[in-house]
Amino acid sequence: GAGVSQSPSNKVTEKGKDVELRCDPISGHTALYWYRQSLGQGLEFLIYFQGNSAPDKSGLPSDRFSAERTGGSVSTLTIQRTQQEDSAVYLCASSLVGFQETQYFGPGTRLLVL
Amino acid sequence: DQQVKQNSPSLSVQEGRISILNCDYTNSMFDYFLWYKKYPAEGPTFLISISSIKDKNEDGRFTVFLNKSAKHLSLHIVPSQPGDSAVYFCAASARQNFVFGPGTRLSVLP
Repeated sequence: GAGVSQSPSNKVTEKGKDVELRCDPISGHTALYWYRQSLGQGLEFLIYFQGNSAPDKSGLPSDRFSAERTGGSVSTLTIQRTQQEDSAVYLCASSLVGFQETQYFGPGTRLLVL
Repeated sequence: DQQVKQNSPSLSVQEGRISILNCDYTNSMFDYFLWYKKYPAEGPTFLISISSIKDKNEDGRFTVFLNKSAKHLSLHIVPSQPGDSAVYFCAASARQNFVFGPGTRLSVLP
């Protein structure tokens, strides 16, 4: 019955390495969102999953970013060949049905690419 | 091109007074607006929302006003409390287009 959880809470990696970020949404929520917040910036939408529909990938900044959602629950955001500009807080949120429902956010994963 | 703007990066208010946070948007297709509050090292938490068919929504100390003709909304907090100190994000949605503003850092001084 807990809220949205994300792991790891912090990740330090070297430039060029791949990273995987995990999100566990609230049980029963069919919509899942990924955002990132760079230093001093607002929230940037990355990708949206709604049920079993194809995800809305319109916010992904490059083809190095991909995400999947297995079984309509847990989601993984993968960043390949990380760059220093990928350093940010990556936030996951879920909502009961869709966009016009309140989104509940996880605590975020702080990614630092050296 | 920012579709949702919060032109004041920061705001300081005395405890007990009213805090007014402003948000402007450019996309007339937006039909639902939300405010989120974010403390350091935590994810944003939902505060209050408003549909485009309304011009006001009130929840306790928080009231959101929507002026569709001006494409402007505001969040009023009264009375402001030190615990309200946080970053406030305005967000707007239209179908599957969901956009956040850059945030305003509110400091409520005791």
